[in-house]
Amino acid sequence: QVQLVQSGAEVKKPGASVTVSCKASGYSFTGYTLHWVRQAPGQRLEWMGWIDAGSGNTKYSQKFQGRVTITRDTSAGTGYMVLSSLRFEDTAVYYCARELDRGLGRWFDPWGQGTLVTVSS
Amino acid sequence: DIQMTQSPSSLSASVGDRVSITCRASQSISSYLNWYQEKPGKAPKVLIYATSSLQSGVPSRFNGSGSGADFTLTISSLQPEDFATYYCQQSYTTPRTFGQGTKVEIK
Repeated sequence: QVQLVQSGAEVKKPGASVTVSCKASGYSFTGYTLHWVRQAPGQRLEWMGWIDAGSGNTKYSQKFQGRVTITRDTSAGTGYMVLSSLRFEDTAVYYCARELDRGLGRWFDPWGQGTLVTVSS
Repeated sequence: DIQMTQSPSSLSASVGDRVSITCRASQSISSYLNWYQEKPGKAPKVLIYATSSLQSGVPSRFNGSGSGADFTLTISSLQPEDFATYYCQQSYTTPRTFGQGTKVEIK
């Protein structure tokens, strides 16, 4: 079945970087865009950016521009999100999600299971 | 950025109740509006996409409607497994943005 499996929880110090991976299975990895969304405790879902898994083109939220890098390895069917210069407020669950694009709609399905990143000194 | 505002932020309801959640965008987003259900410790799951299309496997008691900037998610008869948080999301443009969520609790 179509599935995204993310890497495990991370604990990082302020100023460090974190890498979260997202391995796809059950579909043609290069045929879709892969998005990254995070949810801080008690906050709404927040979109961070995307990658066209075929071309490698990326687009980032202005909020994270300069701190986030999204890449992919087509041979491994895996996407990666690197967030640098971590702050306490970056503590959140990070999700990857495939976006489906069909006529008058675009939506996220499936989502990865989420990766908790904790920033703590 | 397009701002998405849901109401209410939370509601209490009983099994069998009809429940409606509204979502307003800060500008017209055509039909690019999706609804997700999130349960504690689980990833969000799409219920409705493109305003009114029911995702495969989602019960028919979930219904989406609206157009332009105003949208509604209706659950016709609330079931125990429906107690969760619901988010709307616009996919008209980037950045993709979400509403603040509506938590549906048991009365």
